[in-house]
Amino acid sequence: DAGITQSPRHKVTETGTPVTLRCHQTENHRYMYWYRQDPGHGLRLIHYSYGVKDTDKGEVSDGYSVSRSKTEDFLLTLESATSSQTSVYFCAISGDQLPNEKLFFGSGTQLSVL
Amino acid sequence: DQQVKQNSPSLSVQEGRISILNCDYTNSMFDYFLWYKKYPAEGPTFLISISSIKDKNEDGRFTVFLNKSAKHLSLHIVPSQPGDSAVYFCAAREKGDDKIIFGKGTRLHILP
Repeated sequence: DAGITQSPRHKVTETGTPVTLRCHQTENHRYMYWYRQDPGHGLRLIHYSYGVKDTDKGEVSDGYSVSRSKTEDFLLTLESATSSQTSVYFCAISGDQLPNEKLFFGSGTQLSVL
Repeated sequence: DQQVKQNSPSLSVQEGRISILNCDYTNSMFDYFLWYKKYPAEGPTFLISISSIKDKNEDGRFTVFLNKSAKHLSLHIVPSQPGDSAVYFCAAREKGDDKIIFGKGTRLHILP
């Protein structure tokens, strides 16, 4: 299994509070992604990174920001959490190979915004 | 606007029979297609993929077929086993893009 750790695994927070989710990898992979999974919507890409300090938006980026200051860490921040951001968040990584189609996923973070 | 569509939310198949999961796409620039499998409380895991220059790829019990003219792909599992019960996601990548777009998933139930 790819070395991907997501923290925390579960979090309950209140509307309006900032939340940061962390993804840590030990594979030295170049690409890192944040997805959210919701019933009826499948997996939707929030943001992704193609290198240190290089990030780009996905399908559902509004209300989220990301940072990647080191190869191994990719942070997802909800500046002011809303109930619509209650979801399961998955981090994924892939390597330098082209096409970099084989994503390896972490175990997910269950976030509840009350 | 959904680019990858899995129109069947769920599918039930008898153990030992063939399971066929379908996926349609709208973006003609997709050049790579993938299937992922997901168990509850776990992250998705890669199952099988196919390049747009091929029309079939086989790996053990799993075969993916690609019909480019119809913008359709399917995953065949034969014979189906109880451990195949999971959610299956179809995904695609556009040529030159770093993003991988997923469908909504199909929940497969293998019946004893």
